Amino acid sequence: GAGVSQSPRYKVAKRGQDVALRCDPISGHVSLFWYQQALGQGPEFLTYFQNEAQLDKSGLPSDRFFAERPEGSVSTLKIQRTQQEDSAVYLCASSSDRGLGGYTFGSGTRLTVV
Amino acid sequence: AQSVSQHNHHVILSEAASLELGCNYSYGGTVNLFWYVQYPGQHLQLLLKYFSGDPLVKGIKGFEAEFIKSKFSFNLRKPSVQWSDTAEYFCAVERDDKIIFGKGTRLHILP
Repeated sequence: GAGVSQSPRYKVAKRGQDVALRCDPISGHVSLFWYQQALGQGPEFLTYFQNEAQLDKSGLPSDRFFAERPEGSVSTLKIQRTQQEDSAVYLCASSSDRGLGGYTFGSGTRLTVV
Repeated sequence: AQSVSQHNHHVILSEAASLELGCNYSYGGTVNLFWYVQYPGQHLQLLLKYFSGDPLVKGIKGFEAEFIKSKFSFNLRKPSVQWSDTAEYFCAVERDDKIIFGKGTRLHILP
């Protein structure tokens, strides 16, 4: 597609519920990134894929967070047993060449845990 | 700790005023630098980027930024702001294949 597509746009989850957030990157982009943006903060790095390989997951806050990109295109960020502190906007970005062309961001998924 | 610092959290200006938003980073060595903008209700968009060469970088919508290596700074400037520049601005550094963002500066332009 023309841009990075994320779904759903909004998600309300009850505490303890599992959620799955989807990212469709720009076709052909090899690099895919997930960020978490809490209210009033800048985006915080979560994890990074190059094709299907997860090269860096140092930003995932706990083992409740899991990301995959099995075929090197669409990616899913899964959060198990959601907690209130997981409430944030989750941003996905893709890039064609390690960021040299700039990263294209999606509109994000706003997760609210109640 | 390595970080990206934006000095102003909230800036309020009148239309036609000049703008300078400060950004400092604490990473050594070679870095790629970016400014992103997020208009109300929209996604992050790239304003400009610096990889190498001329340290004065021109971006979209009349924005420019100057890389000063000795000061570890990459300040964003615009000579005359417009109401439509109201947005949140993020400075970012690419390092080790990932972008690290500052906390952002919320810019409010009074008509």
